[in-house]
Amino acid sequence: EMQLVESGGGLVQPGGSLRLSCVASGFTFSDHYMDWVRQAPGKGLEWVGRIRNKANSYSTEYATSVKGRFTVSRDDSKNSLYLQMNSLKTDDTAVYYCARIRLGDKRLKVFDIWGQGTMVTVSS
Amino acid sequence: EIVLTQSPGTLSLSPGERATLSCRASQSFSDNCLAWYQQKPGQAPRLLIYGASTRATGIPDRFSGSGSGTDFTLTLSRLEPEDSAVYYCHQYDNGRSPYNFGQGTKLEIK
Repeated sequence: EMQLVESGGGLVQPGGSLRLSCVASGFTFSDHYMDWVRQAPGKGLEWVGRIRNKANSYSTEYATSVKGRFTVSRDDSKNSLYLQMNSLKTDDTAVYYCARIRLGDKRLKVFDIWGQGTMVTVSS
Repeated sequence: EIVLTQSPGTLSLSPGERATLSCRASQSFSDNCLAWYQQKPGQAPRLLIYGASTRATGIPDRFSGSGSGTDFTLTLSRLEPEDSAVYYCHQYDNGRSPYNFGQGTKLEIK
């Protein structure tokens, strides 16, 4: 069964840091682009960032709201995706999901598998 | 940046009826890289439709997607109580970040 499991969420003070992890199983993790998406309580989905695969130089992209504060990385040997979050703000409070990008041409590169999410609360 | 606007915000229908959800993009994008997701409370989003009109694996044919350019539609026929959820459209045109989602349409089956 193809699966993504996030961990690392919790309560952190404004200005603090947190590192989220997402472990993949049931598919060849290293082949896929991987993304982070978040959802503030009672709100909609917000794309956070992407990391591509080795063949695409592990290039990254970020939402404007997190650029310069968040870093997406991966360790293909551990089938793991990470989100390092620094200088956290109360607005970063959300459930954070990791998502797999399907292989194939542009039309197929959809977010097809999602983790169950991990909650991050930024509060003093 | 491509902005997606969904309408209506909330839709209340009865079992057996048809639901039509709209998603309008601020500009067109390539290869109809538009997806629809269903999200129920406390759950992760579930992929329904990609490429504007292709059903994902295991999605019943009651769900159909259509549209191109800047106007897209998700249609749910023969509504069932389990279809109560929030539905999001999403542009995933690789290289055209941010990969924005619409604000969602809440579907209530009364």
